[in-house]
Amino acid sequence: NAGVTQTPKFRVLKTGQSMTLLCAQDMNHEYMYWYRQDPGMGLRLIHYSVGEGTTAKGEVPDGYNVSRLKKQNFLLGLESAAPSQTSVYFCASTFGTGAYEQYFGPGTRLTVT
Amino acid sequence: DAKTTQPPSMDCAEGRAANLPCNHSTISGNEYVYWYRQIHSQGPQYIIHGLKNNETNEMASLIITEDRKSSTLILPHATLRDTAVYYCIVRARQTGANNLFFGTGTRLTVIP
Repeated sequence: NAGVTQTPKFRVLKTGQSMTLLCAQDMNHEYMYWYRQDPGMGLRLIHYSVGEGTTAKGEVPDGYNVSRLKKQNFLLGLESAAPSQTSVYFCASTFGTGAYEQYFGPGTRLTVT
Repeated sequence: DAKTTQPPSMDCAEGRAANLPCNHSTISGNEYVYWYRQIHSQGPQYIIHGLKNNETNEMASLIITEDRKSSTLILPHATLRDTAVYYCIVRARQTGANNLFFGTGTRLTVIP
């Protein structure tokens, strides 16, 4: 049972480049989330999904897209990276509404130059 | 979700109890108090949650005041591995996104 895994762990992009961050969970969770964390700040929700085939916007969705084609995977895409997207990205999952605990991945550190 | 207020930083001697306070004066009757922590740059880790009764698990104890306007997370015997940022989060159990609103938390430093 690996829990929540994220790929890649580190990435450096040039402005305008695109990339996809992959989140995978093996706990059969319905809900999955993408957060970003900037230095000295708490986590902010980018997008989330309440089940396979569904996605919704969070607090800071601009510049990102997501897809949940399979229940176990949640992809975060940056179509045209900007320096303001330099951050640490965390994926999380949970059973569903009312669940107490969210399980977080180890994070992806992204730098956009 | 109710707003929470935590001190930005605290120190605790190794082996002593660490008491981390949280104010949530606008908490509603159906909102739970959750505590998570984030060690260095790792993903946040769930610690404990409660509604109105005190709670204890293998990691910590949660003391909620009778009026529920504040709470305290207690790490009974702090170790160096407990050095982390601790987040107090208040939210209702039944919400659409079921996501967590993280503030800036309390940076706990355990001193040898």
